[in-house]
Amino acid sequence: AQKITQTQPGMFVQEKEAVTLDCTYDTSDPSYGLFWYKQPSSGEMIFLIYQGSYDQQNATEGRYSLNFQKARKSANLVISASQLGDSAMYFCAMREGTDRGSTLGRLYFGRGTQLTVWP
Amino acid sequence: NAGVTQTPKFRVLKTGQSMTLLCAQDMNHEYMYWYRQDPGMGLRLIHYSVGEGTTAKGEVPDGYNVSRLKKQNFLLGLESAAPSQTSVYFCASMVHAPGSYEQYFGPGTRLTVT
Repeated sequence: AQKITQTQPGMFVQEKEAVTLDCTYDTSDPSYGLFWYKQPSSGEMIFLIYQGSYDQQNATEGRYSLNFQKARKSANLVISASQLGDSAMYFCAMREGTDRGSTLGRLYFGRGTQLTVWP
Repeated sequence: NAGVTQTPKFRVLKTGQSMTLLCAQDMNHEYMYWYRQDPGMGLRLIHYSVGEGTTAKGEVPDGYNVSRLKKQNFLLGLESAAPSQTSVYFCASMVHAPGSYEQYFGPGTRLTVT
C-alpha cells in the first residue's frame, strides 16, 4: 500500500489566492514526521515545512502552513497569498519512527502535485 | 558551506557501461541517502548509510551498489547500466541528533542510459 498519497496531479490558483494541496498518509507507527518539499523547474528539492506526529499545533512557516488532521491521517499544505514563484511540483513525504527505530530517517514520498499560479 | 554536492550533474551512458555518482557533504552528517526520481513516481530510496563504513538497502536497490568509505562521501555505482536506470538521482544527508528531521538534498544528477 502507498504510504503517501497525493490525489491531485495538478492544481491551478490565481495569484494572491490561497491554495490547499492534499496529502494523506498510511502508517501504524505512533511516531512519525510529515514533510513538504517544493521542486521548481530547476530541479532542486526545497524543504518547506515539517510536522511531528506528537506536535500539538499545526506547523507554520511564513506563507506555508500544514493542516494536520491526525485522525484522518491527512497533512495538507496550505499556501496563502500565492505568488508566481510558487509554481512548482510539491511533494509530501513521511518518516516513520524515531532515531532509535529501524527506519533511520528514510523518507517515503508521494507522487507530487504540480501547482501552477496564474496572474 | 557547500552543503550537499553531486558529481556529475548530467551523464549519458550506453547500456552495459558502468559509472559512479559521487555525493559529498560538508556538514558532518552521519546519515546519507540515495534516491531516484522518475516521472510521476516521486522519489524512491535506493540505498542509505548511517555512518562511515555502513550501508543498507532501500526500496529499489537492484542494479546499484554503494560505498561510504569516508563520512563526507557517499558513492552510488552502476556496474552495468540499463535503460531502466534512466532517472534523476538525488543524494541527501541528515544529522543524527534528537529532534533533527530535515534532510538536505543535493542538486541532482540526470542520467540517461541509451
